[in-house]
Amino acid sequence: GIQVEQSPPDLILQEGANSTLRCNFSDSVNNLQWFHQNPWGQLINLFYIPSGTKQNGRLSATTVATERYSLLYISSSQTTDSGVYFCAGALYNQGGKLIFGQGTELSVKP
Amino acid sequence: DAGITQSPRYKITETGRQVTLMCHQTWSHSYMFWYRQDLGHGLRLIYYSAAADITDKGEVPDGYVVSRSKTENFPLTLESATRSQTSVYFCASSESLWSSGSPLHFGNGTRLTVT
Repeated sequence: GIQVEQSPPDLILQEGANSTLRCNFSDSVNNLQWFHQNPWGQLINLFYIPSGTKQNGRLSATTVATERYSLLYISSSQTTDSGVYFCAGALYNQGGKLIFGQGTELSVKP
Repeated sequence: DAGITQSPRYKITETGRQVTLMCHQTWSHSYMFWYRQDLGHGLRLIYYSAAADITDKGEVPDGYVVSRSKTENFPLTLESATRSQTSVYFCASSESLWSSGSPLHFGNGTRLTVT
C-alpha cells in the first residue's frame, strides 16, 4: 500500500502567523483529503484535493499529483486552529484503502 | 438525526472477552471504514467496505472481524480482546472515494479499554 509522510510533526505558532503543512505520498494518489482533529477528538474534513488548488476561508490546499505531495496553508492562524491535521490518500487500483499520515500537531498561542 | 453514529462511546472490557463496536450511518454511503487511533501512530485502517457484503483488510486487521449485511451498518468485533487493542476506534463513511463531492465523514469515536 501507499506510504504517507507528514511534516512537521509538531508546530507552535503565535496567533496571526501563517503556516504550511506538507504531506508526501509514495505514489500518485487518486484520492487525497485533509482533515482537522480538534482538541475534543472530532475529525472534520477540510479538503478533497487529489490535484490542483482549493481555498476555504483562511485555509487553502495545493496538490501536485505528479510530484506526489500536497500542502495545506493556514493564514492568520487563530487559537481555534489548534489540533492535529491529517492528510490521507488512496489509489484507485487498491480499492478503498484510504491511508492516513501520522499528523501534524498544531498549537496556536494567543 | 442524519449522520454517522458510533456506540458505545466508552467501553471497558477484560482480556479475552468478545466485544462489538457499532457503526450506523444514515446517508446510504457505499464506503465505510474502521480506524484505530493510538498515540504516535495516527489513524490506522483496520477494515473497510466498498458496499454491502464487500469487505477488505486494511493495515492492521489481525484480531478483528467485520461484517456488512446492510449498507447502513458496519460493526467491528474483537473476537478475543487483548490489551494491545486498547485504543480509540473511529468509524467513517463516504459515498464514493473517487469524486470530489464525497468527502470522508467520521463518527465521534469509541474509546475502548481492555484490562
